Amino acid sequence: GAVVSQHPSWVICKSGTSVKIECRSLDFQATTMFWYRQFPKQSLMLMATSNEGSKATYEQGVEKDKFLINHASLTLSTLTVTSAHPEDSSFYICSLRLAGGPGEQFFGPGTRLTVL
Amino acid sequence: GDSVTQMEGPVTLSEEAFLTINCTYTATGYPSLFWYVQYPGEGLQLLLKATKADDKGSNKGFEATYRKETTSFHLEKGSVQVSDSAVYFCALSLGDYKLSFGAGTTVTVRA
Repeated sequence: GAVVSQHPSWVICKSGTSVKIECRSLDFQATTMFWYRQFPKQSLMLMATSNEGSKATYEQGVEKDKFLINHASLTLSTLTVTSAHPEDSSFYICSLRLAGGPGEQFFGPGTRLTVL
Repeated sequence: GDSVTQMEGPVTLSEEAFLTINCTYTATGYPSLFWYVQYPGEGLQLLLKATKADDKGSNKGFEATYRKETTSFHLEKGSVQVSDSAVYFCALSLGDYKLSFGAGTTVTVRA
């Protein structure tokens, strides 16, 4: 399988600031990456699909201007939470899909964001 | 829409007990089905998968069979260990490769 890293693993920021989260594929090239949000003791909610070299596709209800996604290379996708507020505090997880697979995804360890 | 419903937890078991976590799905096509596991403090890991009806996925003593007639993919393990304590997610994927997750079931195994 693929190894996916995320940085940082946790971050605390003040309300109104922006936070960038990186998701890297360490051993495979990923044309498609996904960003999820997980609330405590709840399931993962897909936020957006990140495609290398093109604009991300956002799920209904997710503000694209709030959650900026950039997939500039085959091994890196970034999620920027702009003007963060306490309600944005959550666990953000990225994953990637390998080309040709049946839909299996490989997940990063997640980033815990706390907005004060 | 496509969705997954899985048994709510938490589930608490003693070591060597039998574990079943029910999972049913609704889908417009023929999905691939997955069980992912999230150990404390770690990211999700694929536990097992099945891509067509009657397929059985297995790993680490866990099994699940893709039942098209009952639209189910129940997870089972005959003898659990303390190290199996985790959150288990059932998920499906269709042609767009997006994963739809169930709510997750927290399993705690006591020595």
